[in-house]
Amino acid sequence: AQSVTQLDSQVPVFEEAPVELRCNYSSSVSVYLFWYVQYPNQGLQLLLKYLSGSTLVKGINGFEAEFNKSQTSFHLRKPSVHISDTAEYFCAANFGNEKLTFGTGTRLTIIP
Amino acid sequence: GAGVSQSPSNKVTEKGKDVELRCDPISGHTALYWYRQSLGQGLEFLIYFQGNSAPDKSGLPSDRFSAERTGGSVSTLTIQRTQQEDSAVYLCASSLRTAWDTQYFGPGTRLTVL
Repeated sequence: AQSVTQLDSQVPVFEEAPVELRCNYSSSVSVYLFWYVQYPNQGLQLLLKYLSGSTLVKGINGFEAEFNKSQTSFHLRKPSVHISDTAEYFCAANFGNEKLTFGTGTRLTIIP
Repeated sequence: GAGVSQSPSNKVTEKGKDVELRCDPISGHTALYWYRQSLGQGLEFLIYFQGNSAPDKSGLPSDRFSAERTGGSVSTLTIQRTQQEDSAVYLCASSLRTAWDTQYFGPGTRLTVL
């Protein structure tokens, strides 16, 4: 079955420390991958996406993600986080059927 | 330019009543999606419209749910005989043409069924 898994429901990180939010997918077909962020009381905003080409994708706000086909992963990273990065992060995939399948989300909390 | 807008932002209704939720996509976007965000289920796909084609209704949880898109623009999601388990945030998104074009999300409608 096609699915997206975010194993970490909550990730606390000290301010200015690096962070990695994990995302794995399961699919037998080609996949397009996305990371969305949802700030408190706001809608979903696209951080970055992987469609094809370079496996390292850079997005907004200093985030980047790397597509790893052999490990079926698309982990999100940032070298130094800020208080303003506090939000919920969703990994999503398109398995070629026009809709997005979302992971359950990871709540990132930045500790001052 | 204007983003995706949804109305109302909040809706409180009694069990058994019908509700209508509205979505105005970004002008020129031919693809429109409805999703539901709830505590127990996360973000779930509900329905997808592409231009004048028949919608993909595969995510609708029951026949109490229906949606239409008039003139290829505004969409209305209707829930009949609401149940408490329908309480959730209903999100609308639009994209230029396909799902690998970026989907832009609206702020959502928070539905509470008492």
